Amino acid sequence: AAGVIQSPRHLIKEKRETATLKCYPIPRHDTVYWYQQGPGQDPQFLISFYEKMQSDKGSIPDRFSAQQFSDYHSELNMSSLELGDSALYFCASSKGAGGAYNEQFFGPGTRLTVL
Amino acid sequence: DQQVKQNSPSLSVQEGRISILNCDYTNSMFDYFLWYKKYPAEGPTFLISISSIKDKNEDGRFTVFLNKSAKHLSLHIVPSQPGDSAVYFCAASGEIQGAQKLVFGQGTRLTINP
Repeated sequence: AAGVIQSPRHLIKEKRETATLKCYPIPRHDTVYWYQQGPGQDPQFLISFYEKMQSDKGSIPDRFSAQQFSDYHSELNMSSLELGDSALYFCASSKGAGGAYNEQFFGPGTRLTVL
Repeated sequence: DQQVKQNSPSLSVQEGRISILNCDYTNSMFDYFLWYKKYPAEGPTFLISISSIKDKNEDGRFTVFLNKSAKHLSLHIVPSQPGDSAVYFCAASGEIQGAQKLVFGQGTRLTINP
């Protein structure tokens, strides 16, 4: 079965650079979520989109922005990267507006390292 | 403020025995609870869930128990197998401040010893 695809899987950037992470949800899923997981920490919700509209916002820094495109894939844009941005970034998708009964299916994650 | 807490960062269990992973939550608005399993270099995968209207949900070797009055849930794995070694995240879902939220605990690393 098709799963959530994230690219790239690994990314190395330097401080103050920009990075773009991509997420391709499971076919027919219309909701995408972004999470950040720092070393030894639980996944922290960043932002979500339903039908190309931002549906919820979590602890996403102002330096980050995201959008969902007409084909439902999403991109997380990160600017002025800091060392503390080094983390595993997960994308998840679900069918529906993220209601309690819509389980989120996670991608494998993108490991971002900022040097 | 950690709304979902997994107080045991790690747990070791002998193969064939029962593994019990615990999770506590603080927000009474949570009404749906999920367990995710995560292997290294992979994203979390959904394992089992329970609605707040139930106190038990069973799926094969996995059973989740919910004690609403204590705001506590647990995941039982029996019998434990070496392939169960992974990090287990408890997550709670509910409408918080007008939006559906999914909040994760810190995870418990389960190691099954042969």
